[in-house]
Amino acid sequence: DGGITQSPKYLFRKEGQNVTLSCEQNLNHDAMYWYRQDPGQGLRLIYYSQIVNDFQKGDIAEGYSVSREKKESFPLTVTSAQKNPTAFYLCASSRTSGDETRYFGPGTRLTVT
Amino acid sequence: RKEVEQDPGPFNVPEGATVAFNCTYSNSASQSFFWYRQDCRKEPKLLMSVYSSGNEDGRFTAQLNRASQYISLLIRDSKLSDSATYLCVVSSGGTDSWGKLQFGAGTQVVVTP
Repeated sequence: DGGITQSPKYLFRKEGQNVTLSCEQNLNHDAMYWYRQDPGQGLRLIYYSQIVNDFQKGDIAEGYSVSREKKESFPLTVTSAQKNPTAFYLCASSRTSGDETRYFGPGTRLTVT
Repeated sequence: RKEVEQDPGPFNVPEGATVAFNCTYSNSASQSFFWYRQDCRKEPKLLMSVYSSGNEDGRFTAQLNRASQYISLLIRDSKLSDSATYLCVVSSGGTDSWGKLQFGAGTQVVVTP
């Protein structure tokens, strides 16, 4: 079955620690995205990657970093510089960067205390 | 002002009834419109695209009103399984649309027996 996997489903960290969220896709999609979802707000774009070895900042990139060394993988690191890291993080992909349909992974719920 | 606004609800609907709700957008240059469905604590999934002439997919009907800058979703013969949050997504279009998808915060629908 093709799809996007994210791990772990729930993650708990202490303030001041960096944490990396995994995202893997076997859809052979070129573009990948990271979104953040907070209660009462729409999804906000953190980072996106149109092709391997390339990525750009989205609307709320501060305190986050990504890499895209393989087409299938787009991990997100939440650094200690992120002021309010507790949120639901969703990884998504699209066939190409011009394709407006997003295929989402199941998400990682991060809680930082 | 938010670029995409939705009534958060909840819309409580008896099973078998019809429910409709709107989503307003502020960018008059918006070109593409979508409805996604998100179950509680799960990822969003594409429900349907919204075309200028309006479109129907089974019990779901989507309409676009460019003059008043809103899209609507109507669900007929509601099923218990329709209970979810419905996200409105708006795109300005173009070859670099990745950065221009705007997500609404969602409208919650609760179908009751």
